[in-house]
Amino acid sequence: DIQMTQSPSSLSASAGDRVTITCRASETISTYLNWYQQTPGKAPRLLIHDASSLHSGVPSRFSGRGSGTDFMLTISTLQPEDFATYYCQQSYKTPRTFGQGTKVDI
Amino acid sequence: QVHLQESGPGLVTPSETLSLTCAVSGASINSYYWSWIRQSPGGGLEWIGYIYSLGSTTYNPSLESRVTLSLDTSKNQCSLRLTSVTAADTAVYYCARESRFRLLDWGQGTLVTVSS
Repeated sequence: DIQMTQSPSSLSASAGDRVTITCRASETISTYLNWYQQTPGKAPRLLIHDASSLHSGVPSRFSGRGSGTDFMLTISTLQPEDFATYYCQQSYKTPRTFGQGTKVDI
Repeated sequence: QVHLQESGPGLVTPSETLSLTCAVSGASINSYYWSWIRQSPGGGLEWIGYIYSLGSTTYNPSLESRVTLSLDTSKNQCSLRLTSVTAADTAVYYCARESRFRLLDWGQGTLVTVSS
């Protein structure tokens, strides 16, 4: 299985901050990398697909980059509704695998 | 707009079989890849498998011996069966639609607790 490792596991931030989360794959996955946001009690929702493409309806303050094994999710200006847990996921191979999550809180 | 809704028992006895259904609206169950993912109380997301192309399946090797996914085209729904459950199978179970290598739509999830 491809292991996905996110860092940090959690971070504290304030509204208006710039936040960066990293995700590393245990082997190359090209750009088959997605980012999801999950708020408490809700299902994850797709933010970024193919490493850097913004999903429809997602605010432009979210951006992604990377290829191969190293990826980043950036929130340029943190908004109150962005306090959530973020997961990366590889879709290069099955079984699909997720990072352990990064919780962004105040 | 695609909507997915999971349903099934919220409590399953150890060693028994967990059975869940995912009702789909807004998309044909004959198209796309229909995935099942679970999230343990600790928070981690685990991909269980998917079903596609009128019944072809791919399972997570960690669960393959116990899991069966199926489609009911007449009801436009997919189903999950997981046998010989233990407390480690306690989780929120999600169904999701995968298209072009991304999980586009998710159900709200259903909590299944394994306990006697």
